[in-house]
Amino acid sequence: DGGITQSPKYLFRKEGQNVTLSCEQNLNHDAMYWYRQDPGQGLRLIYYSQIVNDFQKGDIAEGYSVSREKKESFPLTVTSAQKNPTAFYLCASSTRDSLNEKLFFGSGTQLSVL
Amino acid sequence: DAKTTQPNSMESNEEEPVHLPCNHSTISGTDYIHWYRQLPSQGPEYVIHGLTSNVNNRMASLAIAEDRKSSTLILHRATLRDAAVYYCTLNFGNEKLTFGTGTRLTIIP
Repeated sequence: DGGITQSPKYLFRKEGQNVTLSCEQNLNHDAMYWYRQDPGQGLRLIYYSQIVNDFQKGDIAEGYSVSREKKESFPLTVTSAQKNPTAFYLCASSTRDSLNEKLFFGSGTQLSVL
Repeated sequence: DAKTTQPNSMESNEEEPVHLPCNHSTISGTDYIHWYRQLPSQGPEYVIHGLTSNVNNRMASLAIAEDRKSSTLILHRATLRDAAVYYCTLNFGNEKLTFGTGTRLTIIP
């Protein structure tokens, strides 16, 4: 089945540690996105990538980094600079530059700080 | 950025129609109106989208005002599985796709 796979489902971070969240898609989509969701809140855009080897900051990129070396993969690293990382992280993909196309979301990763 | 306004919560009885409103007074001429819904601890899923004309699919209907400054998602016969947070969003495909806090829909058995 085509779709987006996020792993792990739950992740714990120690103080000062970097952690990487995985996002893989087999939909042949050009564009991929990372969102953060806090309890009872909407989704906020962290980073997005419209094409391989290119990505742009979203509204809350500080303390995060990404890479897009392959079309199907868009990992997100939560660095030690992110002082409040506890949240639900969602990855999504879509065809590129199309206002008439829908987003496909993964099932999310819940990150907590130990 | 184009923004949307939705009620924080709504309730509906099971097997009755539900009308979820969304205001988007700053919508531009090329912005599509998209609706997604999110179940607890899951990623959002696509429901429906449209530009100017009303749209129907197997999940719901989308009614768009003539001036496009508002829209309504219609669930024709709500079931308990429709209980979720519903997001109305605009300008999908643009770099600044945003999701507000949405409407939490509760279905009463």
